[in-house]
Amino acid sequence: EVQLVETGGGLVQPGKSLKLTCATSGFTFSNAWMHWVRQSPEKQLEWVAQIKAKSNNYATYYAESVKGRFTISRDDSKSSVYLQMNSLKEEDTAIYYCTWGTMGITMAFDYWGQGVMVTVSS
Amino acid sequence: DTVLTQSPALAVSPGERVTISCRASESVSTLMHWYQQKPGQQPTLLIYLASNLESGVPARFSGSGSGTDFTLTIDPVEADDTATYYCQQSWNDPLTFGSGTKLEIK
Repeated sequence: EVQLVETGGGLVQPGKSLKLTCATSGFTFSNAWMHWVRQSPEKQLEWVAQIKAKSNNYATYYAESVKGRFTISRDDSKSSVYLQMNSLKEEDTAIYYCTWGTMGITMAFDYWGQGVMVTVSS
Repeated sequence: DTVLTQSPALAVSPGERVTISCRASESVSTLMHWYQQKPGQQPTLLIYLASNLESGVPARFSGSGSGTDFTLTIDPVEADDTATYYCQQSWNDPLTFGSGTKLEIK
């Protein structure tokens, strides 16, 4: 059974940092292209970041809204993907989902974690 | 970025046929996908590549369209279909989602 479990969320002040972890199981993680997608309190879904597999040189991509502040990374030995979030802003407040699509380049996400809440507030 | 426009809400009775539309600001070919999200849950994939039914999804759900205009159809609607439905395109970078259509079953 495929599982994606996000941890690391919480309440953080603007300008501070937070690191999210997505621990996975049930599939060949090392071959998977992993994504983070977030959902604002207004329920709008926004793609945040992607990391490809070792065979793709672990290429990374980011939404403009987080570029330069967020870093996606992975540890294939732990079947985990991470999102380091720096210089957090109130507009980063959202539920953050780790996602994976079995159909590769189609970028349709058939597996989602349960999500982790990140609240940025003073 | 490609903007995906969805009508905000619909209300239908059980047994009826409902169509949920998604219009893209530019062509996305057939790289359009549909998700269902129930309150307090993560989204689940219903339809991929515009018209392909995800495994395990009831055949009451279907999708159509190409280019800029897409439709998700539920026929017949059941009470359990109460949810918000999102479209997502993956043809243009960055990936984008519609704002969601909240479906109420009367």
